[in-house]
Amino acid sequence: DIQMTQSPASLSASLGETVSIECLASEGISNSLAWYQQKSGKSPQLLIYAASRLQDGVPSQFSGSGSGTRYSLKISGMQPEDEADYFCEQSYKFPLTFGSGTKLEIK
Amino acid sequence: QVQLKESGPGLVQPSETLSLTCTVSGFSLTSYSVSWVRQPSGKGPEWMGRMWYDGDTAYNSALKSRLSISRDTSKNQVFLKMNSLQTDDTGTYYCTRELQWVFDYWGQGVMVTVSS
Repeated sequence: DIQMTQSPASLSASLGETVSIECLASEGISNSLAWYQQKSGKSPQLLIYAASRLQDGVPSQFSGSGSGTRYSLKISGMQPEDEADYFCEQSYKFPLTFGSGTKLEIK
Repeated sequence: QVQLKESGPGLVQPSETLSLTCTVSGFSLTSYSVSWVRQPSGKGPEWMGRMWYDGDTAYNSALKSRLSISRDTSKNQVFLKMNSLQTDDTGTYYCTRELQWVFDYWGQGVMVTVSS
């Protein structure tokens, strides 16, 4: 199985700050990478797919990048509503696998 | 609009079988695949298996021996059955719609506790 190592596990950011979350795949995944946001007590919501494509309705402050084994999610200008857990997911090979998550909090 | 809703028991005895139903609306099960994803409290999600739009299935090899996914297209429902439950099967179980290998819509989830 492809292992997805996500970092950091937790992060505090001030309002307006730009933050980055990274995912490292145990092998190349050819941009088959998605990012999800999960607010407390809610279901995950798709933010980014194919490493850098913004899902419809997602604010442009979210962006994704990367290639090969390394991918990142950038949040430009932290807002109160961005406080959540964030997960990456690879869809290059079965079984589909997720990262362990990053908890993003407001400082 | 697209909706998915899971239903099933919240408490299951160890060694028993879990049966969950996902009822969907706003899309056709013959056009989209539906997956089951579970999430232990405070941990990352785990993909369990998929009902393809054509009726075929795919399973996570770690669960394949215990898991079965089926559907009833006339009722817009997808079913999950998993046997021999243990305490580490405790968590929230979601059904999700898939679009090009990503999960674009999720149900609200159902919390399942395995305990005697």
